Amino acid sequence: DAGVIQSPRHEVTEMGQEVTLRCKPISGHDYLFWYRQTMMRGLELLIYFNNNVPIDDSGMPEDRFSAKMPNASFSTLKIQPSEPRDSAVYFCASSLGDRAGYGYTFGSGTRLTVV
Amino acid sequence: AQSVAQPEDQVNVAEGNPLTVKCTYSVSGNPYLFWYVQYPNRGLQFLLKYITGDNLVKGSYGFEAEFNKSQTSFHLKKPSALVSDSALYFCAVRDSYGNNRLAFGKGNQVVVIP
Repeated sequence: DAGVIQSPRHEVTEMGQEVTLRCKPISGHDYLFWYRQTMMRGLELLIYFNNNVPIDDSGMPEDRFSAKMPNASFSTLKIQPSEPRDSAVYFCASSLGDRAGYGYTFGSGTRLTVV
Repeated sequence: AQSVAQPEDQVNVAEGNPLTVKCTYSVSGNPYLFWYVQYPNRGLQFLLKYITGDNLVKGSYGFEAEFNKSQTSFHLKKPSALVSDSALYFCAVRDSYGNNRLAFGKGNQVVVIP
């Protein structure tokens, strides 16, 4: 298995532009998580899905952020409009929730820079 | 709700010396505990986990961790640190009730000095 695949690896955009981050989870995994990592705030859970359904989006910072999971093999995190304070590394992770003690597998992340 | 505390921001250790990264947790019921490592510009990688059974768990790259229920701790250890062990280490916990949400600690930067 190729693992959790995120694209792009790096994104530089101007303030006010729309940004879309993509994630392909491991085949067969039924949970998908979006995290944001910054030096100041560490690792923050933004939203997670179970069987393509959003379960908890309380970590989404504001309405500018939205996430979708149209099918079991694809998810997007969109920021519109983007702001410099959104600059961070965004990670996607997937997991098998019905297997006791199964941890998460993380993607390599997307480093977002908003100028 | 489950939570993890990693009390130290940075752990400095000389190469060849024992390495310990501390973690304490809070969870309802029995815990599932994990350690992850993050190298620069990479995602988090699984190191080891405790689910049940022997309190001493062995994982990747010579790491091990000891589950201590009375102290609610799950400290990560390595007998002899390598320079290549320099990385960010995260402890995480979830409960055993089917909630698949892991609570991560803030992470500890480990610096192994040659």
